[in-house]
Amino acid sequence: DTGVSQNPRHKITKRGQNVTFRCDPISEHNRLYWYRQTLGQGPEFLTYFQNEAQLEKSRLLSDRFSAERPKGSFSTLEIQRTEQGDSAMYLCASSGRGLADTQYFGPGTRLTVL
Amino acid sequence: KQEVTQIPAALSVPEGENLVLNCSFTDSAIYNLQWFRQDPGKGLTSLLLIQSSQREQTSGRLNASLDKSSGRSTLYIAASQPGDSATYLCAAHNNNDMRFGAGTRLTVKP
Repeated sequence: DTGVSQNPRHKITKRGQNVTFRCDPISEHNRLYWYRQTLGQGPEFLTYFQNEAQLEKSRLLSDRFSAERPKGSFSTLEIQRTEQGDSAMYLCASSGRGLADTQYFGPGTRLTVL
Repeated sequence: KQEVTQIPAALSVPEGENLVLNCSFTDSAIYNLQWFRQDPGKGLTSLLLIQSSQREQTSGRLNASLDKSSGRSTLYIAASQPGDSATYLCAAHNNNDMRFGAGTRLTVKP
């Protein structure tokens, strides 16, 4: 068990560019969550997967945001046509089979949009 | 819509003090409530998870309680240490949703 990993750790991009972040969950976990965190605030839930199925995506911030988990293992979060307001920390978490299981977080990807 | 509030927003105590952090939530239909620690610029570390059917959980110097009827949870830290300095976040897990409070920033002075 190596924990949840996220890549890249930092991303600087220009406004209007597309960015993609990757999350590798703990290997035996079937649930995977994406969050966004801005300075001084708690994480804001975006979406989650159970295996490869995306069970909740209504909280994605706009249609510029999309997430995939094609084989039920790693996941990607893409932001198209980035805006300065997208600058934030993007966090991924994974948990076991139950809804009540502990979520384990990765170190996050810090996005800066210039 | 679940709303989670944490009070106080910041707390500074001398080393060795016992302290209580508060978390309140508006929707009692939760699966669980989880407490996390976050160090500056880092991800979240899970501290304690209380299932909806439980009243409290303990781990070392930490004790978390849950009162669903009043929509409250507390995190008790005994004999605080400078290494406990961090932001503490609570999160309420409802169906297909997890809502975080804004956190309490704790500073323990040597």
